[in-house]
Amino acid sequence: EADIYQTPRYLVIGTGKKITLECSQTMGHDKMYWYQQDPGMELHLIHYSYGVNSTEKGDLSSESTVSRIRTEHFPLTLESARPSHTSQYLCASSEQDLGGFYEQYFGPGTRLTVT
Amino acid sequence: KNQVEQSPQSLIILEGKNCTLQCNYTVSPFSNLRWYKQDTGRGPVSLTIMTFSENTKSNGRYTATLDADTKQSSLHITASQLSDSASYICVVSDRGSTLGRLYFGRGTQLTVWP
Repeated sequence: EADIYQTPRYLVIGTGKKITLECSQTMGHDKMYWYQQDPGMELHLIHYSYGVNSTEKGDLSSESTVSRIRTEHFPLTLESARPSHTSQYLCASSEQDLGGFYEQYFGPGTRLTVT
Repeated sequence: KNQVEQSPQSLIILEGKNCTLQCNYTVSPFSNLRWYKQDTGRGPVSLTIMTFSENTKSNGRYTATLDADTKQSSLHITASQLSDSASYICVVSDRGSTLGRLYFGRGTQLTVWP
């Protein structure tokens, strides 16, 4: 069982609200990731981090922002939520890779609905 | 274009039966291929990881095969159980960057009926 946690698990919020999705891991992993997944669709990488004070945008353009002040914590923030942000958000972490061969551990996800 | 295609999109089988899920990929250069199981409302959990030199790997009732020449993989589930109902996702990693980029398929939704 991977030690990676996400809160809240479910969130229903009105348009224009600011939200922060929390992600924490207790494995000491340097790399962390945020994915967005719509029903029946593949996961899309929206943000990743190599370590503290490192953040990069992923392949899918996202209006969200992330921060990495502590190794174990990688929160995602939406300044002004819109219905188009409705989706499942998955956080993951991994050890430093050896040329791409590394295990990625996923959190349980946050199901966000913006009304 | 690097892509991962899975078939079938969905599958219904009776408890105790076997099934095979397919994955075709065009990712290059190839590093490794993984199969994940994702229960509804949960994050994916790794079942197997295979490099190009491995052509089969088992994890309990799950057996994955890889043909790096034809760029195909399959996941065989033996003696299915109700708890096998989930989405099974094929993921391919390249060697083209320090990130070790992962390419995800859309998954096969498996339903096991009693």
